[in-house]
Amino acid sequence: NAGVMQNPRHLVRRRGQEARLRCSPMKGHSHVYWYRQLPEEGLKFMVYLQKENIIDESGMPKERFSAEFPKEGPSILRIQQVVRGDSAAYFCASSPKGNEQYFGPGTRLTVT
Amino acid sequence: SQQGEEDPQALSIQEGENATMNCSYKTSINNLQWYRQNSGRGLVHLILIRSNEREKHSGRLRVTLDTSKKSSSLLITASRAADTASYFCATSIAGTALIFGKGTTLSVSS
Repeated sequence: NAGVMQNPRHLVRRRGQEARLRCSPMKGHSHVYWYRQLPEEGLKFMVYLQKENIIDESGMPKERFSAEFPKEGPSILRIQQVVRGDSAAYFCASSPKGNEQYFGPGTRLTVT
Repeated sequence: SQQGEEDPQALSIQEGENATMNCSYKTSINNLQWYRQNSGRGLVHLILIRSNEREKHSGRLRVTLDTSKKSSSLLITASRAADTASYFCATSIAGTALIFGKGTTLSVSS
């Protein structure tokens, strides 16, 4: 059973461009969580999704950020019009029942 | 406000010594989990302890939970250089989002 997959692993974008981060959960997991980690800090929750539904987006910035988890395919975290402050590591986690979460390797976004 | 706070922020020990990290949190929880993160990598799940458990073991790891003090500790016995990493506690309320502390950076020298 492959672990949580995230791609790309590294992403460089210029200010104003769009960033799309993908997450494929572990097989059989229908719960997906996105977290952001700034340098020297712990992870901060962004959004929690189940298939086709956003369950909790209380940690998501109100503008420029969106997330989806379609019936088919990976979960996508989309950041529009990126700014330097969006530079961070973005981690996805999946869970079978909403308890123990298994993390992917992360996508490191650098905004130049 | 941040739920989990680890203490100490950094810890340096010699191989073979034990390492103890502490975590405090603010509100009631369903469970508390400890994760390890090697530099520049993803998180590895170490152990989950439920709110009705007091102690749990996994290999060289021992986790305790004191819900009356809202605190947990992670003990790594007979540490190895490969244990060098950042360790995070994360709490969960009703099985939803994990709330992480800022972590303890452990350095084990040979």
